[in-house]
Amino acid sequence: AQSVTQLGSHVSVSEGALVLLRCNYSSSVPPYLFWYVQYPNQGLQLLLKYTTGATLVKGINGFEAEFKKSETSFHLTKPSAHMSDAAEYFCAVSDHNAGNMLTFGGGTRLMVKP
Amino acid sequence: DGGITQSPKYLFRKEGQNVTLSCEQNLNHDAMYWYRQDPGQGLRLIYYSQIVNDFQKGDIAEGYSVSREKKESFPLTVTSAQKNPTAFYLCASSLRDRRNQPQHFGDGTRLSIL
Repeated sequence: AQSVTQLGSHVSVSEGALVLLRCNYSSSVPPYLFWYVQYPNQGLQLLLKYTTGATLVKGINGFEAEFKKSETSFHLTKPSAHMSDAAEYFCAVSDHNAGNMLTFGGGTRLMVKP
Repeated sequence: DGGITQSPKYLFRKEGQNVTLSCEQNLNHDAMYWYRQDPGQGLRLIYYSQIVNDFQKGDIAEGYSVSREKKESFPLTVTSAQKNPTAFYLCASSLRDRRNQPQHFGDGTRLSIL
């Protein structure tokens, strides 16, 4: 069974500081990986995805993530945090044996201090 | 614009009452999903459907029921057997059997007990 671990349920950064949200996965097959963002009382919005090819993936709102197979990681970063980045972020992995089924991490709430 | 519409946005349930949450998509997706989200927790899969007139239980199906009579629609009924229904419910859809394609989410329904 696949699993996703997001280290740190809450992360706080100052405006303008680097954002780093951690995601580690377990998978017996090459994974497809996704990062979603959720603003209060809204659904999930896709930030970026890794399927094949380039391991550094760029997404919306200045976010990017790097797939590191040796570390089974897919950490999300942004060079400079903005107040509007405050939200909850979810990492997810696609299950090889069940079509589009996704296994989600527990989420990380990002707080941005002025 | 294509997307997923969930209604109502807020719903209140009385003791012993069944309530139905609506989910409609115009993305021409075959697969649809229902998730439950509790505060500070990730997403848990309730039911999913890969094709019309077929659906499968997810991890927490007890106390819930679904139907899939049309490709566009996947309503979720929270029955009186669900003793702790207060949560945020998210509907999603995706292409079927395409691991590299993300799930698309609606804006959710928040269910509370009166």
